[in-house]
Amino acid sequence: ETGVTQTPRHLVMGMTNKKSLKCEQHLGHNAMYWYKQSAKKPLELMFVYSLEERVENNSVPSRFSPECPNSSHLFLHLHTLQPEDSALYLCASSQDFQRNQPQHFGDGTRLSIL
Amino acid sequence: AQTVTQSQPEMSVQEAETVTLSCTYDTSESDYYLFWYKQPPSRQMILVIRQEAYKQQNATENRFSVNFQKAAKSFSLKISDSQLGDAAMYFCAYRSYSGGSNYKLTFGKGTLLTVNP
Repeated sequence: ETGVTQTPRHLVMGMTNKKSLKCEQHLGHNAMYWYKQSAKKPLELMFVYSLEERVENNSVPSRFSPECPNSSHLFLHLHTLQPEDSALYLCASSQDFQRNQPQHFGDGTRLSIL
Repeated sequence: AQTVTQSQPEMSVQEAETVTLSCTYDTSESDYYLFWYKQPPSRQMILVIRQEAYKQQNATENRFSVNFQKAAKSFSLKISDSQLGDAAMYFCAYRSYSGGSNYKLTFGKGTLLTVNP
């Protein structure tokens, strides 16, 4: 596989559930990102990791917990989410976040909170 | 803070014709990058074209070209000879050239392009 792969593609969960979103990149990139895409709103940057270290937490509620065990994998752990958290969650990667490298996006996980 | 505005929520074009998508932005920086991303119904966001603000020449990628007007802070995307596969949501994005947050992409709300056969 090449590119950025996200699983699952769809997720329906209750507000009390705990689930995780997974992102894997096969591009040899050093930086990875989580974005939230809601209807009729611009993409919102949530978290940024560079070489497995978090460099940005864009005022995201603690019910979202990222994890980057290595430069190829990024997780977003979810617990006690709210209905307004229903959205498309996109993962992206880039070669190096300090240089002008384009971000490559995955297909996203469509999350629905019941 | 930078903002990106796409004033056209939806656009349509006939196959083989040309369409221009608008984007304006607000920034106090002199050096930056601008991007157009395409998100088809299959959802994967794909980079279409990018422009460095310090370059006066407009970027071109096959049927895609931009009209970059730095003084007006305008960055429109022109799609020539439109094809059915061009139907997608198009996002304009801004990125700082330097500084501690130069990895951040600021996106517009997007323009949904429909291509009619």
